[in-house]
Amino acid sequence: NAGVTQTPKFQVLKTGQSMTLQCAQDMNHNSMYWYRQDPGMGLRLIYYSASEGTTDKGEVPNGYNVSRLNKREFSLRLESAAPSQTSVYFCASSEAPHQPQHFGDGTRLSIL
Amino acid sequence: GENVEQHPSTLSVQEGDSAVIKCTYSDSASNYFPWYKQELGKRPQLIIDIRSNVGEKKDQRIAVTLNKTAKHFSLHITETQPEDSAVYFCAACYAGKSTFGDGTTLTVKP
Repeated sequence: NAGVTQTPKFQVLKTGQSMTLQCAQDMNHNSMYWYRQDPGMGLRLIYYSASEGTTDKGEVPNGYNVSRLNKREFSLRLESAAPSQTSVYFCASSEAPHQPQHFGDGTRLSIL
Repeated sequence: GENVEQHPSTLSVQEGDSAVIKCTYSDSASNYFPWYKQELGKRPQLIIDIRSNVGEKKDQRIAVTLNKTAKHFSLHITETQPEDSAVYFCAACYAGKSTFGDGTTLTVKP
């Protein structure tokens, strides 16, 4: 039982490049989330999906897009990467919006 | 939007002492308050949570209290051990949106 799996674990991009971060969960959870964590700070919600077929903006959505591909998968896309998007990105899932969230191991993204 | 403030930012205690971390929130609609522990380079993991219809919850050495009127909640760790050393985050949640505090780095000295 893998829980929440994120790929890739590390990535270096140049400014202006695009990429998609992948997230999959095998716990049959309804809700999924994308966060970013900058040094010395808490997690900030980028987008979330309360259930399959819905997505909503979080606290810091600018520069990102998401796709809830199916119940298992929730991807995060950076269309034109900027140095300010250098961060650690965590995906999480929960049974429902107000249930404990289970986090993936994170993707360390550097944009030069 | 919601604003969560967490104090202190760093906390150092001797093994066996208690540790208390406090959070305040601004949106009275928030109704779910989890606490996460994050070790260096690892994922956050839930350690305890509380809902707005409960004032206190305990799980062995960990307890959380919630004061809805004052809009603050606290994490209490008793009989601290070196393995409790980590960063602890509080969060306030409503309608799927979670707002996290900036974290408290707890160091437990043997």
